[in-house]
Amino acid sequence: GAGVSQSPSNKVTEKGKDVELRCDPISGHTALYWYRQSLGQGLEFLIYFQGNSAPDKSGLPSDRFSAERTGGSVSTLTIQRTQQEDSAVYLCASSLAGPGAEAFFGQGTRLTVV
Amino acid sequence: AQSVSQHNHHVILSEAASLELGCNYSYGGTVNLFWYVQYPGQHLQLLLKYFSGDPLVKGIKGFEAEFIKSKFSFNLRKPSVQWSDTAEYFCAVNANTGRRALTFGSGTRLQVQP
Repeated sequence: GAGVSQSPSNKVTEKGKDVELRCDPISGHTALYWYRQSLGQGLEFLIYFQGNSAPDKSGLPSDRFSAERTGGSVSTLTIQRTQQEDSAVYLCASSLAGPGAEAFFGQGTRLTVV
Repeated sequence: AQSVSQHNHHVILSEAASLELGCNYSYGGTVNLFWYVQYPGQHLQLLLKYFSGDPLVKGIKGFEAEFIKSKFSFNLRKPSVQWSDTAEYFCAVNANTGRRALTFGSGTRLQVQP
């Protein structure tokens, strides 16, 4: 398919475990975003990759969160030592370069920490 | 830093009623403005955007928004809503310089009653 693909779609993990969430952006999109959507909340910005520039990590809530983007394509968001407050839907989006470009979103990964 | 305020958190309308959802942003520089919609069970998708030019922007499904620079506003309007417009609506902004990542508002849940 041509859209943004995220995996897994659902993840249940025990408190204290590490999790990895994957995002396959649309081919050719140089910008990639991670957001977190909690129940009743808006979209909380986490991290932004643009081409070969240093990522904007200003939204990562703690040092337990990290993300990488390999080869300018696939991205992985890692949450270490998960806590219950990490439970949310994690959304990935990609876009072409340029500030006015439309961001295309994936379906998200619903993370539940028990 | 950029921020976006959506003052209407939950709006209930009857079919054929007119809609206006408020969006205010704070940022001193040149901005790009977006409205995204999330229908139940679906991923976020772009409704319309303002990049430059005519401040009155028309989007899909009869929606429009007006950028009023002096008021830092980008309100979404539709003259006559349908039951199928039931969804969550998010306003977003990014800057042409500096931080390029999209900043989203907290969203407005629209419920249209038949």
